[in-house]
This record gives sequence, C-alpha cells and structure tokens, in this order.
Amino acid sequence: SAVISQKPSRDICQRGTSLTIQCQVDSQVTMMFWYRQQPGQSLTLIATANQGSEATYESGFVIDKFPISRPNLTFSTLTVSNMSPEDSSIYLCSVGTGWSYEQYFGPGTRLTVT
Amino acid sequence: AQTVTQSQPEMSVQEAETVTLSCTYDTSESDYYLFWYKQPPSRQMILVIRQEAYKQQNATENRFSVNFQKAAKSFSLKISDSQLGDAAMYFCAYRRGISNFGNEKLTFGTGTRLTIIP
Repeated sequence: SAVISQKPSRDICQRGTSLTIQCQVDSQVTMMFWYRQQPGQSLTLIATANQGSEATYESGFVIDKFPISRPNLTFSTLTVSNMSPEDSSIYLCSVGTGWSYEQYFGPGTRLTVT
Repeated sequence: AQTVTQSQPEMSVQEAETVTLSCTYDTSESDYYLFWYKQPPSRQMILVIRQEAYKQQNATENRFSVNFQKAAKSFSLKISDSQLGDAAMYFCAYRRGISNFGNEKLTFGTGTRLTIIP
C-alpha cells in the first residue's frame, strides 16, 4: 500500500480567502485524485492530477475555483479559492498504484469556512 | 454514466451478530471492479474488500465477505461476528476495469452508517 499524508489536517478560514492543501505520498505514483466530502455526504471527485500535465476536472468543478498542482510523482496541492461557507467539507487526496487496482486515501483535511 | 446506490442510510447490529449492507450499481460495462471502503470517525478511508467483475467467486477477507450478483448488479457486504471497531460509515465504490491499475477514478455510493450495539 501507499502511505499518504495531508496538511493541514483541519482549518477554519474566512470567506473570500484561499487555502492550499498538500498531499504527500511515500512512493512515486502516476495518478493522484482529489475528492470532496460535504458534511454527511459521500465522496465526489473534484479532479485527477497526472504528473506533467494539466489536471482533469469533473463536471461542476473548475480550475479557477480549485487549482491543482502536481510538480512531481509524490506530491500535489489543491487550492480552494475565494471560499464560501458552501466549501466547508472534508477534502481527501487519494492515489492509485501501478501494481494493484485499489486506491489509497490520505487522512483528509477538514475545512470550515465562516 | 455509472451510478452506485446504497439504500440503507443507517444500520445497527448487536455485537457478535451478523449484518449485511446493500449496494446496487448501474453500468453498461462488462469489466469493472467493486469495493467496500470503511470510514471511521477518524475520517480515514480504509479499503475493506475488493471484487473483480470477471470473478464468479465472492471475495472474502476474514470476517468480511461479499455477495456479488453480476446479473442483478448487486454487491452486498456481510460482516460476521460484528465488533465495536466495525462502527463506521461504509461506502460502496465502482471503477471501470480498463487495465490501468489504480489509476482510474472511483464512483461512490451515499454510504451506510453502521452502529454496533454492545
């Protein structure tokens, strides 16, 4: 399996500001995924980040709101821009591996926007 | 588009008893993978079990087993000898089966909150 860390683990932010969430993996991986989990809800994929190319966003999510960087094979960031209370969620990073069909998840970042 | 449905928002079971969580899915593909993930209050998503669509045999991992009915597009999770540590949200997830290892997105159901009664 892969060991994934996320920073920060939680944050409280004011509306209109931005927060960058970091995701670090202990091994090189091709794909990294960013999911949002709104309170009491399921996980929804925001975007897929492939190293060396632009992230691919799912319907309903745009790059201006959720810019993603993927500078190398072990690291990615997700920025939540111009935040509103509706952005209050848990944001999870996950990775796929080249040797199994599972995805492994980070511990998540709990974001509260006031 | 693929969809995953979990019709039981909440379930409860007595400790040491058996409980079954339901999941149905809709896809036009013949090759895919199904997963059950567990999310305890710590938020960490933990893989419980995996089923390949091409396998007829139901997957088993210790106290966890699935009943995979491909024709009915049903994928239920059975937890035997329930323990207090099994209390969590359980999510059913689907991914298509193209040969890309873990590099395919997951589609999740809405989850079932499982409570274990001591």
